[in-house]
Amino acid sequence: EVQLVESGGGLVQPGGSLRLSCATSGFAFSTYWMHWVRQAPGKGLVWVARINGDGSNTPYADSVKGRFTISRDNAKNTLYLQMNSLRVEDTAVYYCVRDQYRGPVDPWGQGTLVTVSS
Amino acid sequence: DVVMTQSPLSLPVTLGQTASISCRSSQSLVYSDGSTYLNWFQQRPGQSPRRLIYKVSNRDSGVPDRISGIGSDTDFTLIISRVEAEDVGVYYCMQATHWPYAFGQGTKLEIK
Repeated sequence: EVQLVESGGGLVQPGGSLRLSCATSGFAFSTYWMHWVRQAPGKGLVWVARINGDGSNTPYADSVKGRFTISRDNAKNTLYLQMNSLRVEDTAVYYCVRDQYRGPVDPWGQGTLVTVSS
Repeated sequence: DVVMTQSPLSLPVTLGQTASISCRSSQSLVYSDGSTYLNWFQQRPGQSPRRLIYKVSNRDSGVPDRISGIGSDTDFTLIISRVEAEDVGVYYCMQATHWPYAFGQGTKLEIK
């Protein structure tokens, strides 16, 4: 069974940093592109970043470019999102999702909530 | 960047009727390999999203055949036939042809 479990969310002050993790199981992690997608409370879905299988290609949304870094550890089957210089508008539930046919495919995890507030 | 525009943003539908959601992109979504990477997602109240359709018209596993996607180039439509109560939620299109990927604003489907 494919499972993705996000962790690392919490309350952080503007300008602060946070590192999200996504532990995966049930599939050949190293062969899949992986995405981070976020959703602010009561708002729509926003694509954040994607990483290819060996970590050599990592496009980002304009809103997070230069502040967020997506990475992966294929030995640990784990995806990461390092978030620096956090802003109030980064407040959201963050989902990690694997890719199939160039798009996030099920299952999605439960997400992890990041709250940026003073 | 590619902008995805959905309409309507709110869609009241009678049970058993057909719902149609439009999604337009600001640029052609035809990729250099000839494929068009347009996805559709459903998010039921209180749940994580679920992909329904990939590459314009291909259903993901477990998606009923009364849900279909059509379209080409910049103009796409999600069609839900014989609407059921379980279809209530927000529907999003998403382009995966150009970086950065982008979702539409979402269309909220409700039962009239």
